[in-house]
Amino acid sequence: DSGVTQTPKHLITATGQRVTLRCSPRSGDLSVYWYQQSLDQGLQFLIQYYNGEERAKGNILERFSAQQFPDLHSELNLSSLELGDSALYFCASSVRTDTQYFGPGTRLTVL
Amino acid sequence: AQSVTQLGSHVSVSEGALVLLRCNYSSSVPPYLFWYVQYPNQGLQLLLKYTSAATLVKGINGFEAEFKKSETSFHLTKPSAHMSDAAEYFCAVSTGTASKLTFGTGTRLQVTL
Repeated sequence: DSGVTQTPKHLITATGQRVTLRCSPRSGDLSVYWYQQSLDQGLQFLIQYYNGEERAKGNILERFSAQQFPDLHSELNLSSLELGDSALYFCASSVRTDTQYFGPGTRLTVL
Repeated sequence: AQSVTQLGSHVSVSEGALVLLRCNYSSSVPPYLFWYVQYPNQGLQLLLKYTSAATLVKGINGFEAEFKKSETSFHLTKPSAHMSDAAEYFCAVSTGTASKLTFGTGTRLQVTL
């Protein structure tokens, strides 16, 4: 158990819909990272927040957005969903260290 | 920019045999290197990391890796495979503290009797 929690574990929705994925980092970790794992693209970095502020952006679509709240939990919002958005979405957290600890992931299926 | 290449998407070894999973990296700055393992339907678990200290790094479950700057490699080894080692292994690189990870495409390790 890494100490990072993600909800929900599974999400099934239809094309065009909007979903929110939630991540609670390890206690004391200020940085939250979001990654997408798909068969086509592998594991790709989406976005990073540090203490409530966006720190870095990767291959994140404009239809996707994220935020980190004052209690340090983070949400990833995915809108206008397409079939190709079906993937595993991981959250990871770290303090000011090099090691990222990953949550169990949310499996998103878009039908 | 940084990148990681993992040679061999599938590796099969017999139980008790040596495990060798290959990883080569490219980085414009001194890299931080990681190996993560993913068991079916689970998240990523850190096996070991290199962060500019000792070049031979020991991790959990008997795994180790050696950083070779001249070869830009960070191969993962284990002297004797166990059935429980069957999983997918990812090599990753970052540029340092609180930086994004760039992953390789992964190597699926199969362990046979």
